[in-house]
Amino acid sequence: DADVTQTPRNRITKTGKRIMLECSQTKGHDRMYWYRQDPGLGLQLIYYSFDVKDINKGEISDGYSVSRQAQAKFSLSLESAIPNQTALYFCATSDAHRETQYFGPGTRLLVL
Amino acid sequence: QQQVKQSPQSLIVQKGGISIINCAYENTAFDYFPWYQQFPGKGPALLIAIRPDVSEKKEGRFTISFNKSAKQFSLHIMDSQPGDSATYFCAASGSGGSNYKLTFGKGTLLTVNP
Repeated sequence: DADVTQTPRNRITKTGKRIMLECSQTKGHDRMYWYRQDPGLGLQLIYYSFDVKDINKGEISDGYSVSRQAQAKFSLSLESAIPNQTALYFCATSDAHRETQYFGPGTRLLVL
Repeated sequence: QQQVKQSPQSLIVQKGGISIINCAYENTAFDYFPWYQQFPGKGPALLIAIRPDVSEKKEGRFTISFNKSAKQFSLHIMDSQPGDSATYFCAASGSGGSNYKLTFGKGTLLTVNP
């Protein structure tokens, strides 16, 4: 079984709709991250959480919100999706004392 | 402000050749420099990493060269194979507290022709 899972893997939605992307991990890591990947732009950090009670904005948090429901679960929401949020979204986890991040398989989101 | 600049954007190499990808950073507080490898349809995965107390680290065919004074580091792939075809990201972070966040370069798409 995968250590970091993301659901859904693909999603098509319409402008203005609310959408939630979910991430679960079985690695026992405290830290979780949400990234956005666009062609030619690399990975941009949206939000990160160092424990259940700690949520921090990343480089591009506008238009996004997150919820850390438990140590193992970190959800990303788009309250009102817009076309320029069409991208590949990755969740990642890391141990509190190591820098290595472990990425999920990604969610491909298309906003029409 | 882009803190980690990566070049080239794309690279085509023949099988058996050497692939070289370069990165430059600006923040002198960075002290951890990983390279991530991403295959199509997959998430990035750590390939190799270096800290500034050494100038080179080698793992199999993959080598990181680090130049602290120039604030540059590079990935060398020796004897490149078609299976190495992927997108490669350099990254950097500081240590301690929120500095464990990684700042990524924009990526290099490597194609190794058979």
